[in-house]
Amino acid sequence: AQTVTQSQPEMSVQEAETVTLSCTYDTSESDYYLFWYKQPPSRQMILVIRQEAYKQQNATENRFSVNFQKAAKSFSLKISDSQLGDAAMYFCAYRLYTGNQFYFGTGTSLTVIP
Amino acid sequence: KAGVTQTPRYLIKTRGQQVTLSCSPISGHRSVSWYQQTPGQGLQFLFEYFSETQRNKGNFPGRFSGRQFSNSRSEMNVSTLELGDSALYLCASSFAQGRNSPLHFGNGTRLTVT
Repeated sequence: AQTVTQSQPEMSVQEAETVTLSCTYDTSESDYYLFWYKQPPSRQMILVIRQEAYKQQNATENRFSVNFQKAAKSFSLKISDSQLGDAAMYFCAYRLYTGNQFYFGTGTSLTVIP
Repeated sequence: KAGVTQTPRYLIKTRGQQVTLSCSPISGHRSVSWYQQTPGQGLQFLFEYFSETQRNKGNFPGRFSGRQFSNSRSEMNVSTLELGDSALYLCASSFAQGRNSPLHFGNGTRLTVT
């Protein structure tokens, strides 16, 4: 069974500082995809970043980057130069290489302190 | 391009009633998935439709059902509502199954069962 664990229910960061959100997953598959989604109070889930498991290079999207450790089954999200607009619930998600079912973690609520 | 549209945004129903939620995917997207989001459980996969066929189903009772029309629009139905069905129901569409196609989410329908 595929499970995704986010061990930090809440995190806070000072504006302009860097924060890392943790995510681990359990799978016996070798090919899969990993995603981070952001859900602000507006409720809409927004894709932040994605990573293909077969790629060793960590994905980056502007201020967002991941630390993908395949052997450890770890997929953390680093937010640099945090902004007030980054405040949201962040969900880590896993998807098998085939099929379209996503498995989500329970989320980390990020507060950005001005 | 218009995003994923879910209607209605809010619903209040009484236990025992039934409800139908609607989702219009992004134009060109043929896969539509439904997720139930609750504070304690996070996002739980309900089912996925692709080209009018249910491709995958999560671990929910038969009271939860759905369908997809030829224009890719989808509906989700919950019969004999229970208090525990109160949740945010999210619809997501994607271009295709497989590959690294991310899910694009709507704003959700907040269902309250009293």
